Amino acid sequence: EAEVAQSPRYKITEKSQAVAFWCDPISGHATLYWYRQILGQGPELLVQFQDESVVDDSQLPKDRFSAERLKGVDSTLKIQPAELGDSAMYLCASSQLAGGLAGSYNEQFFGPGTRLTVL
Amino acid sequence: GQQLNQSPQSMFIQEGEDVSMNCTSSSIFNTWLWYKQEPGEGPVLLIALYKAGELTSNGRLTAQFGITRKDSFLNISASIPSDVGIYFCAGYTGNQFYFGTGTSLTVIP
Repeated sequence: EAEVAQSPRYKITEKSQAVAFWCDPISGHATLYWYRQILGQGPELLVQFQDESVVDDSQLPKDRFSAERLKGVDSTLKIQPAELGDSAMYLCASSQLAGGLAGSYNEQFFGPGTRLTVL
Repeated sequence: GQQLNQSPQSMFIQEGEDVSMNCTSSSIFNTWLWYKQEPGEGPVLLIALYKAGELTSNGRLTAQFGITRKDSFLNISASIPSDVGIYFCAGYTGNQFYFGTGTSLTVIP
């Protein structure tokens, strides 16, 4: 069964260091999402790609976070410099298409996430 | 970003009991979704609801799309130990997903 792959699964870093997370969506999925999930809360969207283009990054802290999906397939999320408050689970998800007509839904499939701890 | 309000925040129940949880929002959604997340994993979709008033079942799970389009409910009947996890609702506007704060479920054998 096709799955969204993420690596690393766990990352421990010191504040002010740079970290990067990688996501490989399900083959053929045009839409890719990066979410941040703080412990005890639901996921919050950071950035959404349609193929290689960013369609929504309104919640991405652009002073320290960047995301790219150069060839419209896999994606990298980077934090530089990391801060203590960035400790969270970073989830990647993909779907075949973004949006949908009323009464339809393009299911998001989530990866296992990367657990980031900033010391 | 917007977060939907889920209640209860946590539940401790005996195996075999039924479970009810709900999700409310100040905004209207086109689609309501319910996910389950287990420790160290990403959320997995359980049920999707597309129309106000819709009632949909998936095995022992039943979910409803509220008439006002601002709320949704999830019921689990005859709980079993493997139902343990965190249940999230999510609302979909057609462009973006907004997730609830989660309900943590513990089933005591």
